[in-house]
Amino acid sequence: KAGVTQTPRYLIKTRGQQVTLSCSPISGHRSVSWYQQTPGQGLQFLFEYFSETQRNKGNFPGRFSGRQFSNSRSEMNVSTLELGDSALYLCASSGTGQGVKPYGYTFGSGTRLTVV
Amino acid sequence: AQKVTQAQTEISVVEKEDVTLDCVYETRDTTYYLFWYKQPPSGELVFLIRRNSFDEQNEISGRYSWNFQKSTSSFNFTITASQVVDSAVYFCALSEAAGDSGYALNFGKGTSLLVTP
Repeated sequence: KAGVTQTPRYLIKTRGQQVTLSCSPISGHRSVSWYQQTPGQGLQFLFEYFSETQRNKGNFPGRFSGRQFSNSRSEMNVSTLELGDSALYLCASSGTGQGVKPYGYTFGSGTRLTVV
Repeated sequence: AQKVTQAQTEISVVEKEDVTLDCVYETRDTTYYLFWYKQPPSGELVFLIRRNSFDEQNEISGRYSWNFQKSTSSFNFTITASQVVDSAVYFCALSEAAGDSGYALNFGKGTSLLVTP
């Protein structure tokens, strides 16, 4: 069973640009969530999608957005990049559903974004 | 608001020693879920265990064991006879039941474990 796939693995962008990261969840998982990991702030929740709808959102500015497609693949977008956006972005998929308890979230290897 | 505290930032042990990683959490909910994840240098978060708030039974899986105590809001993780391959950053996380509103993991800052030969 294939795991969670994130692309690309590494990315270097210039301040002010925008970036799109992709995540393909485990087959059959309909919940996809995104996390940002930085040395200073640790692991922080960005948002969660289920059946193409954003169900939950963390405390991040509107420059961070995402979407989920009908095949459960998800993308997150960061516009007007700032130096502080440099981080490891992790995607997790879960077998959660409406009213279903969360099982162990399975994480991808992440996309390491460097903003210069 | 929920909160997870991992007071130990770094731990260094010699191979074959036992080591316990502490996790203390805060939540107002009666239904919640606790997790432990391992993050090796490769960066991927590896799921180790999930516990719900109604299940206080301790869990043992090989050299790993977990002690969940609601009375002290703690969910500690013990590695018995540690090995070099156990070197990683370990995260404790809390998720509150949110019904149809989805779930989010609230992570502690992590404990970096170094096991030396």
